[in-house]
Amino acid sequence: ETGVTQTPRHLVMGMTNKKSLKCEQHLGHNAMYWYKQSAKKPLELMFVYNFKEQTENNSVPSRFSPECPNSSHLFLHLHTLQPEDSALYLCASRLLTGPNYGYTFGSGTRLTVV
Amino acid sequence: GNSVTQMEGPVTLSEEAFLTINCTYTATGYPSLFWYVQYPGEGLQLLLKATKADDKGSNKGFEATYRKETTSFHLEKGSVQVSDSAVYFCALSLPITGNQFYFGTGTSLTVIP
Repeated sequence: ETGVTQTPRHLVMGMTNKKSLKCEQHLGHNAMYWYKQSAKKPLELMFVYNFKEQTENNSVPSRFSPECPNSSHLFLHLHTLQPEDSALYLCASRLLTGPNYGYTFGSGTRLTVV
Repeated sequence: GNSVTQMEGPVTLSEEAFLTINCTYTATGYPSLFWYVQYPGEGLQLLLKATKADDKGSNKGFEATYRKETTSFHLEKGSVQVSDSAVYFCALSLPITGNQFYFGTGTSLTVIP
């Protein structure tokens, strides 16, 4: 257990479904991130939240909608996804102040869109 | 721009062999450098890091030295084990970009008994 918990671990959804991914950390970190990891492709940064404020949205389609209600929780709301959205979705957090200790990642949610 | 280039995989080694995974970077400024490891079915875990030139990061028998003159941060291990089979990611972060991380594409390592 890394301290960053992602649920669910696996998710299968149809293209017309609506679902949400959840990420939770109690490490005292003040920045949280969503990454997409697809087979044979580099990690893609999707969204960045610093101090609960969204600071980046890297041209992510609107069918992905992030939410950060507080510094410990991050959600990714999904609707009308496409099969090419099937991937491992990773949440990460870090402390923006002080020494740069890098990210702490969750174990990911394996999403399959059918 | 800022980027990380890793050697292409997959890499297959016999147990107790010597491992090198090459990583070079391009950065505007003075980055911190990291190696992350991803075991099957898991997220990425920090393996080691170095924050300035000539620093050596080490952990679990793995080492990497921050070489500013060659803009490199190669990962090495003297004797790999089957349990080291994983995907290894090199990454950098820069204060000037708010410490956003730039990851390499990952190198898959399989160690056979």
